[in-house]
Amino acid sequence: AQSVTQPDIHITVSEGASLELRCNYSYGATPYLFWYVQSPGQGLQLLLKYFSGDTLVQGIKGFEAEFKRSQSSFNLRKPSVHWSDAAEYFCAVGARAGGGADGLTFGKGTHLIIQP
Amino acid sequence: KAGVTQTPRYLIKTRGQQVTLSCSPISGHRSVSWYQQTPGQGLQFLFEYFSETQRNKGNFPGRFSGRQFSNSRSEMNVSTLELGDSALYLCATGTANTDTQYFGPGTRLTVL
Repeated sequence: AQSVTQPDIHITVSEGASLELRCNYSYGATPYLFWYVQSPGQGLQLLLKYFSGDTLVQGIKGFEAEFKRSQSSFNLRKPSVHWSDAAEYFCAVGARAGGGADGLTFGKGTHLIIQP
Repeated sequence: KAGVTQTPRYLIKTRGQQVTLSCSPISGHRSVSWYQQTPGQGLQFLFEYFSETQRNKGNFPGRFSGRQFSNSRSEMNVSTLELGDSALYLCATGTANTDTQYFGPGTRLTVL
């Protein structure tokens, strides 16, 4: 069965500092990998996705993520965070864009707090 | 282009009642997936519909059901509500071979 682990429940970062959110996945075949962000009371917004090709993918809002097959990781990074980045971040894996037989499997999320 | 619409946004029900939630996809999207989000279990896949047919189903009891109409709008129904059904219910829509799923704002269901 597919699974996603986000080891950090909460992360606090100072505004302007760099950010890395960790994501490890378990999947038997080539995974479709996603990072979503959720602000309070809102739905999920896609930040970026990886299907194949270049293992460093660029997303919206200045985010990027690197796929490392040997480490089963798909960590999200941003060189300089803004106060508006405070939100819940979810990593997800699926068999295809729409998820496949088991849908998308999400990690438990990382709550990002930005210090002024 | 309008985004994914979910109605109602908030709902309060009592145990034993049933509830129907609606999801209107982005124009041209024919795939609709439903997810349940709770603090304890996180985001869990309920089911996926495509062209009025249920394509995939998650590990939820039969009290949870859904359907999709010819205009791609989807409804999910929960019968005999339990306290544990309190959650944010999200739908996500996409095209047949999309590489992106767009989520709606969700319906917050509270069961008393």
